[in-house]
Amino acid sequence: QVQLQESGPGLVKPSETLSLTCKVSGGSISSGAYYWTWIRQAAGKGLDWIGRVYSTGGTDYSPSLRSRVTMSVDTSKNQVFLRLNSVTAADTAVYYCARAPVGPTHSFDLWGHGTMGTVSS
Amino acid sequence: QSALTQPPSVSGSPGQSVTISCTGSSSAFGTYNFVSWYKQYPGKAPKLVIFDVNKRPSGVPDRFSGSKSGNTASLTISGLQAEDEADYHCCSYAGSYTTFGGGTKVTVL
Repeated sequence: QVQLQESGPGLVKPSETLSLTCKVSGGSISSGAYYWTWIRQAAGKGLDWIGRVYSTGGTDYSPSLRSRVTMSVDTSKNQVFLRLNSVTAADTAVYYCARAPVGPTHSFDLWGHGTMGTVSS
Repeated sequence: QSALTQPPSVSGSPGQSVTISCTGSSSAFGTYNFVSWYKQYPGKAPKLVIFDVNKRPSGVPDRFSGSKSGNTASLTISGLQAEDEADYHCCSYAGSYTTFGGGTKVTVL
């Protein structure tokens, strides 16, 4: 059974970089069958798509965050990474890692539990 | 501000049906039929209930159904049950990026 587990520092200061990791267990990200996606949710708000990364390293990012986001993968460790730089309080949210099947379809069929990312001095 | 608009809340009594709308511009939906819906309990991760407009993942009751007409997608929950009380989010893929609605809280009276 595939599981996703997000982790990160929890608290970062304004203008610094938020770095998160999604560990994939029970399946290989090298299979090429999925995009690995980051989605966030501020308290009391809706979901916000940040972007996706493929096992080859190819990426697509939200236009509103593109200038500050970098996603990558380490297939040897079966991990997916998110870096969001120049953060402000507006970036405080729960950050989810999710899996999206490749093909003539679109959905997020598996989610991690999420990790809180707080931006505060 | 979401490019997809959902009503903040809908409610219904047990056994009734409720429908949640998700309205967007033509660019929000693109030329694809890639609309999905997610159910989320407070403090929990979202769960997929409908994908590709009207397909149900394994394990999702057939009380959940989806549709799309023009620039409005809809999720209908028939035979409303107490466990259906949750937030529901619509989602659209239109090219290389994805958009979510603001979410709708479903209350079972």
